[in-house]
Amino acid sequence: SQQGEEDPQALSIQEGENATMNCSYKTSINNLQWYRQNSGRGLVHLILIRSNEREKHSGRLRVTLDTSKKSSSLLITASRAADTASYFCATERNFGNEKLTFGTGTRLTIIP
Amino acid sequence: DAMVIQNPRYQVTQFGKPVTLSCSQTLNHNVMYWYQQKSSQAPKLLFHYYDKDFNNEADTPDNFQSRRPNTSFCFLDIRSPGLGDAAMYLCATSPYGGETQYFGPGTRLLVL
Repeated sequence: SQQGEEDPQALSIQEGENATMNCSYKTSINNLQWYRQNSGRGLVHLILIRSNEREKHSGRLRVTLDTSKKSSSLLITASRAADTASYFCATERNFGNEKLTFGTGTRLTIIP
Repeated sequence: DAMVIQNPRYQVTQFGKPVTLSCSQTLNHNVMYWYQQKSSQAPKLLFHYYDKDFNNEADTPDNFQSRRPNTSFCFLDIRSPGLGDAAMYLCATSPYGGETQYFGPGTRLLVL
């Protein structure tokens, strides 16, 4: 069963604007990850945040995690046309679980 | 470069005709995963291997089987493909599970 739901399902913004996507999950987690998927391709890992972390940065990406609300957000600053893709959150429920459960995804379109 | 390779990238098969998809990795990771992804949906885990230990998801149909003859290779066998099995099949690896997963480009399966 899917652990995460993402909001919004689709997002269109102008190039240069910031994009924010949200992920909510149901059970306690060990870590939460964000992946990007370009159309018709495999997924690419973007960032991993552990349950004891609240915020993490990687280049133009900023991820926050609120375990009390069981939610995470991914912020992409200064968006580029190449950021057009689907973005998925994924959670590892228990340490050593070996599995990730993916959210429903947000389809991001950057308008040049 | 270390990577995850999937062959073929596109596979067309006939209804009921067995088909095998392959995945190889040069990352020397312990864990290999197979996901099914249908259009605009999240990847759905079918099964995974931790080394030689096979872990099947409860809702994976018996029609889907897997083999991992060695660390580098993993195969997905669909014994009698139905029209509903048309999807993108993604292979992923992880060093020890629950952490970052590295995806191949996927094999798109079409069932006629």
